Amino acid sequence: KNEVEQSPQNLTAQEGEFITINCSYSVGISALHWLQQHPGGGIVSLFMLSSGKKKHGRLIATINIQEKHSSLHITASHPRDSAVYICAVRPGGGADGLTFGKGTHLIIQP
Amino acid sequence: DVKVTQSSRYLVKRTGEKVFLECVQDMDHENMFWYRQDPGLGLRLIYFSYDVKMKEKGDIPEGYSVSREKKERFSLILESASTNQTSMYLCASSPGGVKSYGYTFGSGTRLTVV
Repeated sequence: KNEVEQSPQNLTAQEGEFITINCSYSVGISALHWLQQHPGGGIVSLFMLSSGKKKHGRLIATINIQEKHSSLHITASHPRDSAVYICAVRPGGGADGLTFGKGTHLIIQP
Repeated sequence: DVKVTQSSRYLVKRTGEKVFLECVQDMDHENMFWYRQDPGLGLRLIYFSYDVKMKEKGDIPEGYSVSREKKERFSLILESASTNQTSMYLCASSPGGVKSYGYTFGSGTRLTVV
């Protein structure tokens, strides 16, 4: 069973700062997801990665398959980015469910 | 806009009641999943289904069952609700096939068992 570790668990930063959240996993995967959860519970999928790097607006996600590591970066952070960010990995092809990290609770102060 | 819809946002039930949590997706996805989320434990897979009438146990199936009679609907059943089943329940779906990885989550159902 894959172990997914996220760091940091909690992060408070000032508006405008560059944010990095890290995710490591123990077993090879077919895909890695970065998810965002705002207070109230709904989860939004930000990225799905199997290699390389993806960018969407101020968010950038990278993955290093050899090192079993992924990072989520937020540039020019804003208070509306405050949320829990969750890394989740998927094993090889098929309908298997995701294995999740415990999340990083991010607070961006104005 | 594609959606996964969970029938209830908040639910309060009594110990021993039979509870149904409903999830409907409009994307014609083959795969559907039920997770629960608890503080300090993160999200954990309860059951998933890769086709109509098919189901597979996840990591924590005890105390739960599921039903998938139609492709778009996946129900989670608590046969006899207990207080340790108080949690946030999230449904998700994804397309079928080896290379289909996209996931869509519902908004969650916060269940309290008293």
